[in-house]
Amino acid sequence: GDSVTQMEGPVTLSEEAFLTINCTYTATGYPSLFWYVQYPGEGLQLLLKATKADDKGSNKGFEATYRKETTSFHLEKGSVQVSDSAVYFCALYQAGTALIFGKGTTLSVSS
Amino acid sequence: GAVVSQHPSWVICKSGTSVKIECRSLDFQATTMFWYRQFPKQSLMLMATSNEGSKATYEQGVEKDKFLINHASLTLSTLTVTSAHPEDSSFYICSASQGSGGADTQYFGPGTRLTVL
Repeated sequence: GDSVTQMEGPVTLSEEAFLTINCTYTATGYPSLFWYVQYPGEGLQLLLKATKADDKGSNKGFEATYRKETTSFHLEKGSVQVSDSAVYFCALYQAGTALIFGKGTTLSVSS
Repeated sequence: GAVVSQHPSWVICKSGTSVKIECRSLDFQATTMFWYRQFPKQSLMLMATSNEGSKATYEQGVEKDKFLINHASLTLSTLTVTSAHPEDSSFYICSASQGSGGADTQYFGPGTRLTVL
């Protein structure tokens, strides 16, 4: 069945460092891809999405490109802030099915 | 923005007792609500989908009689873990959707951590 694999954490960075969180997927058909973020004590929030190959999703300085050839949707940010510390989930969705999540990657950013 | 709350945020109970978790959409009407379960260092797994006024649809392998879901109003869904056992200890997360429940229309609650002793 469909699945999502994302890099294990925790990821620890200094402020202003470059961030990459890897995400790859396995799916039949053409899923939509998502990144969710969960800040401490809060629910998951949609961070960005891409619905077809070569689409780039972006929000709050984060971006990810839907790469069908490598079945990847890596999350990147050029300069992280302490406030970006959170758990990040990669997910895929196909109509008529449930959201399928990766295991989550914890990001800690220190000043 | 759309806010979903869960209550309680954490609960500890004795084996054999039942626990009820509430999920509320605070500023919108949720036609569909979802319940997920997350084990440590694991993905969120969908347990069931409920539509207001209808019986919940459970995912394969989820015991309907153990995890009772009620979606009696457009702003409230409850998950009752009946006769809880230590293996039911987990993090339970709900989400709510105004529309058809497509991924980007789901708003997630903060989760409830259940520990069964």
